[in-house]
Amino acid sequence: DTGVSQDPRHKITKRGQNVTFRCDPISEHNRLYWYRQTLGQGPEFLTYFQNEAQLEKSRLLSDRFSAERPKGSFSTLEIQRTEQGDSAMYLCASSLESVWTHTSGLGDTQYFGPGTRLTVL
Amino acid sequence: AQSVTQPDIHITVSEGASLELRCNYSYGATPYLFWYVQSPGQGLQLLLKYFSGDTLVQGIKGFEAEFKRSQSSFNLRKPSVHWSDAAEYFCAVGSPFSGGYNKLIFGAGTRLAVHP
Repeated sequence: DTGVSQDPRHKITKRGQNVTFRCDPISEHNRLYWYRQTLGQGPEFLTYFQNEAQLEKSRLLSDRFSAERPKGSFSTLEIQRTEQGDSAMYLCASSLESVWTHTSGLGDTQYFGPGTRLTVL
Repeated sequence: AQSVTQPDIHITVSEGASLELRCNYSYGATPYLFWYVQSPGQGLQLLLKYFSGDTLVQGIKGFEAEFKRSQSSFNLRKPSVHWSDAAEYFCAVGSPFSGGYNKLIFGAGTRLAVHP
C-alpha cells in the first residue's frame, strides 16, 4: 500500500491554458473524490466516483472542469481556459466500499494524497 | 445546511503543554466526524474518526476526541504536545449518501504553533 499519489505536485500555468492533473488511488479502493483547497480554507468537495461512474458533482465544478476515471483506476481532473481564481491545491482522496458501509449506509474513511498545487499567472 | 466551525484560527502552545482544539458542527442527523492534520505543502492525514458507539475516540499520535451531541462538538485533545505537532488541523463532517459514501465538509482549520 503506497497511499494515494498525485501528479504533478506543482503546476504553474498562464491564464487561458488547459491543465490536467492525475490521481492514483490506493489499490483496490473503488471510491475516489476530488477536493479543492484555497489558501486559509478547508478543502471543498468537487466530485465523486464510484468505480468509473461519476456520481456527484459540486456546483463548484464549472463547465471548464471535467473529471474522468477510466476503468475505475486512476482519475484525471482537467481545467480548461484556466483563470486566476482556479489557483488552489487540488486534493484527491480514495476509500473502499465495504459490505458494512454499503448495507448500513454509514460513512467511509477517505485517505488523501499530497495534492497538486496550481498557480495561474 | 451542514457546516463545521473551528473557532480558533491560530493557537500557540508550549511543548509539553496540553492541547484542545475546538470543533462545532451543524448537521441534521447523526454525524460522522473526522479530524485531519495537514503539514505545510502536504495532503491530509487522518487522525481519528467517529461513526458511532463510544463518544471518546482514540487516534494516532496520542490524540483523542470527544463527541458531545448536546453541544454539537467534537473537540480534539492531546495531553502533551510535541514540537512535531505543529501543523494545521481540520475538523470535518461526513455527509453520507445512499450507499455509504461521504461528502466531507471541512472547517476552515486551526493552525497550531508549538513553542520550545
